[in-house]
Amino acid sequence: GEDVEQSLFLSVREGDSSVINCTYTDSSSTYLYWYKQEPGAGLQLLTYIFSNMDMKQDQRLTVLLNKKDKHLSLRIADTQTGDSAIYFCAEGDSGGYQKVTFGTGTKLQVIP
Amino acid sequence: DAGVIQSPRHEVTEMGQEVTLRCKPISGHDYLFWYRQTMMRGLELLIYFNNNVPIDDSGMPEDRFSAKMPNASFSTLKIQPSEPRDSAVYFCASSLTGLVNYGYTFGSGTRLTVV
Repeated sequence: GEDVEQSLFLSVREGDSSVINCTYTDSSSTYLYWYKQEPGAGLQLLTYIFSNMDMKQDQRLTVLLNKKDKHLSLRIADTQTGDSAIYFCAEGDSGGYQKVTFGTGTKLQVIP
Repeated sequence: DAGVIQSPRHEVTEMGQEVTLRCKPISGHDYLFWYRQTMMRGLELLIYFNNNVPIDDSGMPEDRFSAKMPNASFSTLKIQPSEPRDSAVYFCASSLTGLVNYGYTFGSGTRLTVV
């Protein structure tokens, strides 16, 4: 079955770049997503990338996709304390019921 | 749209009591999902509905858990009887066929504590 793996924890200093990595197993994935979960809140879609793209940039966020290695990364430039949260990688396909499989989440701690 | 609305936000109950969690999906969304989040097990899919019909409930941990969706704008997740190990944050999410790129929209969750 599908599996999405992430490291559990990342700590960076304010102003530095953060890179959160993710690997997935389903080669039929159509969309790859990054969600952010702030304390006490639900998951919020940050960005997504279509599987035929290599890169997507959205302000401070850069998503890189290596489809051959099934590797996805999220880079946050100029990381701020407000970026402290849990980041979930997820994969989805457009077939069937548009199933989305979530990773375990990476807790990002930004040190002032 | 106000987003996915869950109630209550917090629930504290005694072991053995019945607990009902509620969810109102985004209007027009045809999929509804119930997730459970714990430190130990992360985010687990419990059950999902399409057009109010339960499609896959293989994630429901035990017969003590049941979910219903009587109409397109309301769903419940019931635990009877509740146990301390059911303590978790329960999320409801909804999505719309054909808009896969938008992923799921999650509610703020219900934090359940069973003592």
